[in-house]
Amino acid sequence: ETGVTQTPRHLVMGMTNKKSLKCEQHLGHNAMYWYKQSAKKPLELMFVYSLEERVENNSVPSRFSPECPNSSHLFLHLHTLQPEDSALYLCASSQENVGISTGELFFGEGSRLTVL
Amino acid sequence: TQLLEQSPQFLSIQEGENLTVYCNSSSVFSSLQWYRQEPGEGPVLLVTVVTGGEVKKLKRLTFQFGDARKDSSLHITAAQPGDTGLYLCAGADYKLSFGAGTTVTVRA
Repeated sequence: ETGVTQTPRHLVMGMTNKKSLKCEQHLGHNAMYWYKQSAKKPLELMFVYSLEERVENNSVPSRFSPECPNSSHLFLHLHTLQPEDSALYLCASSQENVGISTGELFFGEGSRLTVL
Repeated sequence: TQLLEQSPQFLSIQEGENLTVYCNSSSVFSSLQWYRQEPGEGPVLLVTVVTGGEVKKLKRLTFQFGDARKDSSLHITAAQPGDTGLYLCAGADYKLSFGAGTTVTVRA
């Protein structure tokens, strides 16, 4: 138990579906992140929220839409995805003072997404 | 081109053997983190090294940060099946950059 909970753990969706991934952290951290993990590739940072404001969007396609309603919750809304978007999506949180994170990350267990 | 290169990509050893995994870069980092990810789980932080030449020990795991703060190594002594997992390094400059990881399998 890392204090970061992701749901659902597994998701299968068609290319025309709309779904959402949810992340909740119970650590009192002020920054939250979405990462994409594909086989044999480094973790790809997708979005960073610090104090509920988006501070980084790493050229992620618009079919991925993040939402951070408060410092404890983070969503990733998915729409018209492609098969190459199939991956493990990891949420993480950290306690940051300023700017983009270089601090220690606490990860959730991930949401395994399969796009058919 | 990856900012952080980890080697080897895969490593399979017998219980009780020693192993070393490497994390190399041409970039200088202010700090470097090591994570372990077990199957079906998210990565969990093992250690952060900050000072060039620093050595940190965590039970049977020894972490070293290179003098120039461009590379790091993780050495496991007398590996156990519980050490099985994906080992990730992450370098910090103005953001964290991850390597692709080393998959370690320790056979009983």
